[in-house]
Amino acid sequence: DQQVKQNSPSLSVQEGRISILNCDYTNSMFDYFLWYKKYPAEGPTFLISISSIKDKNEDGRFTVFLNKSAKHLSLHIVPSQPGDSAVYFCAASGGYQKVTFGTGTKLQVIP
Amino acid sequence: GAGVSQSPRYKVAKRGQDVALRCDPISGHVSLFWYQQALGQGPEFLTYFQNEAQLDKSGLPSDRFFAERPEGSVSTLKIQRTQQEDSAVYLCASSLVYRGRSEQFFGPGTRLTVL
Repeated sequence: DQQVKQNSPSLSVQEGRISILNCDYTNSMFDYFLWYKKYPAEGPTFLISISSIKDKNEDGRFTVFLNKSAKHLSLHIVPSQPGDSAVYFCAASGGYQKVTFGTGTKLQVIP
Repeated sequence: GAGVSQSPRYKVAKRGQDVALRCDPISGHVSLFWYQQALGQGPEFLTYFQNEAQLDKSGLPSDRFFAERPEGSVSTLKIQRTQQEDSAVYLCASSLVYRGRSEQFFGPGTRLTVL
């Protein structure tokens, strides 16, 4: 039972354009959501998070949007840069800190 | 360095062997997590420690998996009688706070291959 779903395994975007990565969840107990970025042979690195009491959180080029009624969140990267090419994991948490990850979306930013 | 470190980075084991994977969290981090990441999947929760107490081991796939953190810092994940399905990257993460929301800092992982 995949409680956090990333339905797009890959995404290609031109440098300078917007990248939009999507994530859906099924567990209504989740109240904290995170995005992690992962390069090959490295562990995931925290990117940005959002609490369920908010619908938007912005940090530089990265913005996460949360639509609780649709159980959907998205990560926007504007403008996209070649260094953003990585696998992005959506994750969700409910309770102490146990985190459930999605399967990841591989983003390729084309120069 | 100041990050989470894991050793070994790569481990090849014959089916039936026991393995031990080590995690050195960031100094002072109270919480420690182990995840298993199969090829093409996201990390899956295995177990969680708060200091030396193992508060959740619901993700451990079988009783062949055992984790400990005896002094509340370094942790070891042990897999007994390894099977081919145990082949995966094992990630360790630590975080600072006891409660609430905080980011987890991940180590580079140990890639286990069981032949």
